[in-house]
Amino acid sequence: SQTIHQWPATLVQPVGSPLSLECTVEGTSNPNLYWYRQAAGRGLQLLFYSVGIGQISSEVPQNLSASRPQDRQFILSSKKLLLSDSGFYLCAWKDRASGSYNEQFFGPGTRLTVL
Amino acid sequence: AQKITQTQPGMFVQEKEAVTLDCTYDTSDPSYGLFWYKQPSSGEMIFLIYQGSYDQQNATEGRYSLNFQKARKSANLVISASQLGDSAMYFCAMIPYNTDKLIFGTGTRLQVFP
Repeated sequence: SQTIHQWPATLVQPVGSPLSLECTVEGTSNPNLYWYRQAAGRGLQLLFYSVGIGQISSEVPQNLSASRPQDRQFILSSKKLLLSDSGFYLCAWKDRASGSYNEQFFGPGTRLTVL
Repeated sequence: AQKITQTQPGMFVQEKEAVTLDCTYDTSDPSYGLFWYKQPSSGEMIFLIYQGSYDQQNATEGRYSLNFQKARKSANLVISASQLGDSAMYFCAMIPYNTDKLIFGTGTRLQVFP
């Protein structure tokens, strides 16, 4: 069966520090991968998605970036964190072969607090 | 613009009763998919149910059913026989035509009391 992992689970970082969040998927190949952010009390906002190694699409302008160095690994990064980067970051995957309207499966999330 | 609207920030329901969580959507696409996810306090997003825009019948998954009214652009989630473990945030979401991007509503917090 497929599983998705994210780490760290929680993170407290000072403003201006770098960031690296990692997401890995097991039990599937060639998944579509997604990064979402959820601000406190809000819905999810899509940040990045990837349909393959090295292929990244950005949905919103920001100081975050994403990379996909391996088929089942998706990394969210920042060179300098802002206070507004605080939130709950969720990684998701979808079986690319199953069609556009199939569900995305989410990881456990990383709660980031920028002080 | 494509948008999901959930007008109920919070709902209360007694255990074993049914509850309806509202969702309306805005799109001019000919085809789209609609989803409901549950987010417990732990934070993970759990997929509950899916409805395709061309599906003739309302989707059902166990105690969850989706009341799909295409002309009204609504996709309400009905939870039958509520359980204490149903207490969580519930999000309605849409994938527009020919995209791969889930658009989420702001969510409804459901609290089930004994």
